[in-house]
Amino acid sequence: QSALTQPASVSGSPGQSITISCTGSSSDVGSYNLVSWYQQHPGKAPKLMIYEGSKRPSGVSNRFSGSKSGNTASLTISGLQAEDEADYYCCSYAGSSTFVVFGGGTKLTVL
Amino acid sequence: QVQLQESGPGLVKPSETLSLTCGVSAYSISSGYYWGWIRQSPGKGLEWIGIIYHTGSTYYNPSLKSRVTISVDTSKNQFSLKLSSVTAADTAVYYCARLPGGSVWYFDYWGQGTLVTVSS
Repeated sequence: QSALTQPASVSGSPGQSITISCTGSSSDVGSYNLVSWYQQHPGKAPKLMIYEGSKRPSGVSNRFSGSKSGNTASLTISGLQAEDEADYYCCSYAGSSTFVVFGGGTKLTVL
Repeated sequence: QVQLQESGPGLVKPSETLSLTCGVSAYSISSGYYWGWIRQSPGKGLEWIGIIYHTGSTYYNPSLKSRVTISVDTSKNQFSLKLSSVTAADTAVYYCARLPGGSVWYFDYWGQGTLVTVSS
């Protein structure tokens, strides 16, 4: 069982917006603004999409955005495109004993 | 563009030690940053294994800490993972990655991953 809880799957049609939640606790997501999100296509390495909760690395589309409320972080993808179909993982710093925790991943299907 | 490449045996026998190396190009490990290992069991999610700073300071996943050793060789610009007493549950794709560190905790560059199967 993963430390962070994500829905197993979400889906949306091209052009729509979807949001993936990532629920942690006051020991990780709730205490630090250090949530990152990764996109993983089948057979490929994860790719950083969001860091420090809402920042986008250079080259990542502005259709991807991140936010946080309490112990839950969220990734929103607007204007869904076929190429967005992938697995998405959240990750959070969890203090000086555990350090890093990942979510179980969410499979995004573009209908 | 920073590049990372994992290398090592793809098959390890149960109870033996898994050993992998991550070569880094286009960036000198001794210049800074943290360097880490993450694994993904077949069909499963990501699991953080541990990270190392170029000075040798290490941080390990508490659930794996008793079996994990991560080391760095700045002369070869690479870092390594050793996981002892492996079982079938350690079968996974192992990724190496860079983590900016300090107060920043995210993995910005990843290797392509290497599949390690634990089987006799």
